[in-house]
Amino acid sequence: GNSVTQMEGPVTLSEEAFLTINCTYTATGYPSLFWYVQYPGEGLQLLLKATKADDKGSNKGFEATYRKETTSFHLEKGSVQVSDSAVYFCALSDFAGGTSYGKLTFGQGTILTVHP
Amino acid sequence: SAVISQKPSRDICQRGTSLTIQCQVDSQVTMMFWYRQQPGQSLTLIATANQGSEATYESGFVIDKFPISRPNLTFSTLTVSNMSPEDSSIYLCSVRDGPYEQYFGPGTRLTVT
Repeated sequence: GNSVTQMEGPVTLSEEAFLTINCTYTATGYPSLFWYVQYPGEGLQLLLKATKADDKGSNKGFEATYRKETTSFHLEKGSVQVSDSAVYFCALSDFAGGTSYGKLTFGQGTILTVHP
Repeated sequence: SAVISQKPSRDICQRGTSLTIQCQVDSQVTMMFWYRQQPGQSLTLIATANQGSEATYESGFVIDKFPISRPNLTFSTLTVSNMSPEDSSIYLCSVRDGPYEQYFGPGTRLTVT
């Protein structure tokens, strides 16, 4: 079955530091890949997505590239802010038209804390 | 993207009782999903709710414990039945909006005492 593995956390950084959160996946076929963010006390927000190999998703200064050869989708940001403190989830989805209805499989989440 | 609301936002319930969680979407959607997020854990899919048909449950989740209704294309409910402290979690509904993206509601934080 499908699975997603994120780097063990939590991650603590100083403001303006470079961020990398590793994500690797196991899936049959050609899944779509996502990063979701959960701010304290809130629901999940879609941060970015990539739907095919070599696609780069980007949003709010965050980027991730769909690497089929390494089955990875690492999240990066060049300069983090205190407001980026949240839990980040990597997720994958099968083809939405298939029998799995495009359901999401999540990684375990990575807690990011950014200090001033 | 679709705007999703959930009611209640949080509740504290006694063991043995049931709670029904409502999910309302501001547009018509075919697929709705219900997830559980146990304390400090990731999200686990409970079931997929397609309007006009029975919900499809994931391994480890059964209809008697988590009955779902999907009466129309903008609304769904999840009931957590005969609750125990192990059911204390955040319950989230989501919708598929387009071929790839899923968007989530704010969640219902349930505590069972």
